[in-house]
Amino acid sequence: ETGVTQTPRHLVMGMTNKKSLKCEQHLGHNAMYWYKQSAKKPLELMFVYSLEERVENNSVPSRFSPECPNSSHLFLHLHTLQPEDSALYLCASSQTVYSPLHFGNGTRLTVT
Amino acid sequence: GQNIDQPTEMTATEGAIVQINCTYQTSGFNGLFWYQQHAGEAPTFLSYNVLDGLEEKGRFSSFLSRSKGYSYLLLKELQMKDSASYLCAVRRRGSTLGRLYFGRGTQLTVWP
Repeated sequence: ETGVTQTPRHLVMGMTNKKSLKCEQHLGHNAMYWYKQSAKKPLELMFVYSLEERVENNSVPSRFSPECPNSSHLFLHLHTLQPEDSALYLCASSQTVYSPLHFGNGTRLTVT
Repeated sequence: GQNIDQPTEMTATEGAIVQINCTYQTSGFNGLFWYQQHAGEAPTFLSYNVLDGLEEKGRFSSFLSRSKGYSYLLLKELQMKDSASYLCAVRRRGSTLGRLYFGRGTQLTVWP
């Protein structure tokens, strides 16, 4: 399997639930990202990992918690989310932080 | 934000040529990217401009004028499959590890 794979594709969760989004890249890239895509808004960068080290947290609420156990895997742990957190969450990777991004198909999250 | 503006929607017919404009205001410009995103799918990288001029890739070309803060994506010989959202993204020099700032995207509909 090649490219960037995200699971699950769809997720519905209550405000008190805890869930995790998973991303895996098979491209040998050194940087991984979480982006949020809401309707009618630009893509918003959430987190950047370079060589497994978090290098940017773009003022994201603490109810979102990233984890990068190795250069191929990235997780986004979710807890006590709000309805306004409903969005498409996209994972991406790149060879370096200056290279073009390769995106996964995203997880469509609905918070009820 | 970086004041990245692009039209919200455009329509064109099969076989035609369409130009999608993107204007930006940013200090320390360090490159502009175009991505294509079909509904429900991942954004895919189309082109990258860092110097003034035209970059051509098959039916797609991208132009940049740094002095005018302006870029366009030119799509020739339009096909139905070109119906998608086209995202303009700018990178700033000195931004944290090559961070990209995205526009809201231009939804292109190609009619038969």
